[in-house]
Amino acid sequence: ETGVTQTPRHLVMGMTNKKSLKCEQHLGHNAMYWYKQSAKKPLELMFVYNFKEQTENNSVPSRFSPECPNSSHLFLHLHTLQPEDSALYLCASSQEVVSGGPTARTQYFGPGTRLLVL
Amino acid sequence: DQQVKQNSPSLSVQEGRISILNCDYTNSMFDYFLWYKKYPAEGPTFLISISSIKDKNEDGRFTVFLNKSAKHLSLHIVPSQPGDSAVYFCAAKGSGSARQLTFGSGTQLTVLP
Repeated sequence: ETGVTQTPRHLVMGMTNKKSLKCEQHLGHNAMYWYKQSAKKPLELMFVYNFKEQTENNSVPSRFSPECPNSSHLFLHLHTLQPEDSALYLCASSQEVVSGGPTARTQYFGPGTRLLVL
Repeated sequence: DQQVKQNSPSLSVQEGRISILNCDYTNSMFDYFLWYKKYPAEGPTFLISISSIKDKNEDGRFTVFLNKSAKHLSLHIVPSQPGDSAVYFCAAKGSGSARQLTFGSGTQLTVLP
């Protein structure tokens, strides 16, 4: 397996459910990202993990909870979501030179998880 | 307020002709610009980039032009091929508060055979 993989590819959940999205990168990178893409809107950065430490949280509601157990895996735990959270959730990774330094120029994306909240 | 804007949601071009996709930005701290291509059911893939110290970067059929004074960049694809049909995202980054990638909303390119 190469590149960035995401599971599941599609997910339908009710507002009271708890589910998790998984991302795995096979590129040896040390930074990972969660993005949200709603229809006809730009990709919105949600979270950044740099050397397994969360370095960015773009005012994301607490019903989204990220977890980065190691530099190859990233999870997004979901609970009590709202219908407006329905979107494509994309994971990406990059190779950072040093922690806290300038961010890498190129990110590599997974195929995304299409989430529908009923 | 969007800092990276792609004002054309869609563009149709005849096969063999030139495709020109445009992008405008507002943040003066941006100093690196990228184009990503996205097919349905796939994640965005990196296509080409340009640093603010240059005004042109070419890679095969793809050329990116940067006009810093106008805060405008464009992606030229020539000749266009049906396989180029995809959504193209412009992205920008810089330093400090602009250190993370900021994306435009994308332009759907359709190349007609």
